Amino acid sequence: DAGVIQSPRHEVTEMGQEVTLRCKPISGHDYLFWYRQTMMRGLELLIYFNNNVPIDDSGMPEDRFSAKMPNASFSTLKIQPSEPRDSAVYFCASSFNQGAIGAFFGQGTRLTVV
Amino acid sequence: LAKTTQPISMDSYEGQEVNITCSHNNIATNDYITWYQQFPSQGPRFIIQGYKTKVTNEVASLFIPADRKSSTLSLPRVSLSDTAVYYCLVVRSGNTPLVFGKGTRLSVIA
Repeated sequence: DAGVIQSPRHEVTEMGQEVTLRCKPISGHDYLFWYRQTMMRGLELLIYFNNNVPIDDSGMPEDRFSAKMPNASFSTLKIQPSEPRDSAVYFCASSFNQGAIGAFFGQGTRLTVV
Repeated sequence: LAKTTQPISMDSYEGQEVNITCSHNNIATNDYITWYQQFPSQGPRFIIQGYKTKVTNEVASLFIPADRKSSTLSLPRVSLSDTAVYYCLVVRSGNTPLVFGKGTRLSVIA
């Protein structure tokens, strides 16, 4: 397996534009997580899914953020409209439904909103 | 979940053994201790997980005393490529999401 695949790797957009980040989890994994990382706040959990169903979205900062998982092999994180303070690295991770096995992270998407 | 406390940063020379200690005083019976490693411009990577005593794999060893209120990640003979941020996490069994703290920034110098 190629691991967790995220696209794009880098995104530069203007304030007010819609941004869509994409994630393909590892095949067979039941859980999918979206994290955001900044220097100031570190790694923050935004939302996670189990079997394509959102379980906890309490980390989503505002209504401008939304996430979907239409099937087991694809998830999106959308920001509309984007703001400069959304600039960060966004990571997607997936894991088996077993507590003893760690989560696997993608390479991340570096988002810059100007 | 139990809060974790670990040093902000550490420096080491190549070839030395590095021990990073993490405290988790309020750990619960069904919690595991897990360590992740993050290189610059990459996502975190699972290193090792344990419940008690000692766990060893090809990357590191994890020492957990009987009271489980702390744990120590041991990296044998570090190289420059071990420069990274190391996160200690307490994970509840049942696949709860990972909650990351600030981690320990390890710098290995020649």
